[in-house]
Amino acid sequence: DAGITQSPRHKVTETGTPVTLRCHQTENHRYMYWYRQDPGHGLRLIHYSYGVKDTDKGEVSDGYSVSRSKTEDFLLTLESATSSQTSVYFCAISLSKGGAADTQYFGPGTRLTVL
Amino acid sequence: QQQVKQSPQSLIVQKGGISIINCAYENTAFDYFPWYQQFPGKGPALLIAIRPDVSEKKEGRFTISFNKSAKQFSLHIMDSQPGDSATYFCAASDDYKLSFGAGTTVTVRA
Repeated sequence: DAGITQSPRHKVTETGTPVTLRCHQTENHRYMYWYRQDPGHGLRLIHYSYGVKDTDKGEVSDGYSVSRSKTEDFLLTLESATSSQTSVYFCAISLSKGGAADTQYFGPGTRLTVL
Repeated sequence: QQQVKQSPQSLIVQKGGISIINCAYENTAFDYFPWYQQFPGKGPALLIAIRPDVSEKKEGRFTISFNKSAKQFSLHIMDSQPGDSATYFCAASDDYKLSFGAGTTVTVRA
C-alpha cells in the first residue's frame, strides 16, 4: 500500500454527525487524494492536495472538506453526514515528483455507513 | 458525467481463456492511462499503464492496446486464471488527476 494507512477502517454514524477520516503516508509524497467508491460509478475524486495547505476540489466535493497541515496527513471531513455519503473512501498518493508521471497508489479504504 | 466509459460491466471466462475489457474517452488532454485491479475488501492496485505515444504495452499475461485516433484503449488478460477474478478499472489522467471507468468484474471459472 505504498506506506499509506487510513483510519478508521470502518465507521457507522448517524445523519447530521460530523465525521473525519484520516490518511497517513510515511514517504513524504507531495500529492494526496481522496476518492469515494460506489457501485456503478468506479472511483470518483472528492478532493486532492498538492502540498501542505494546498488543496483543490474534485468532481464530487459538495459536502466534504479537507485539510493538510503536515505532509504526511490528509484529512477528509464530512461536516454533517448524510445517507448519500455512505460509501467506501480511499486515499491515494502520487509518486510523481513533477513532470508527467501520474501513478497513484491507494490505501486500504474506509467503509463509512451513515444511518 | 463519467469521462471514461468502460465495458462490459461484468464478464465470465473459462480458465485459460482471454478476457477483454474496453474503455473509451473524450478528453484529448488525457496523457496517461492506467489499469487497476481490485480484490474484495482491498484498495485498487496498479496493474499496468500506457502513455499515448505507444500503441501497445505487455506485461506478462496483461496487455494494453491503445488507439489514440479512436480514443479507445483495452486490457487483454491472456490465459486467464482463477486468481485473476477481480474488478478491473481503467482510468485516464489529466494534470495529476485520475478519472475512472465504472469497473468490470471478471470471474474466471476453473
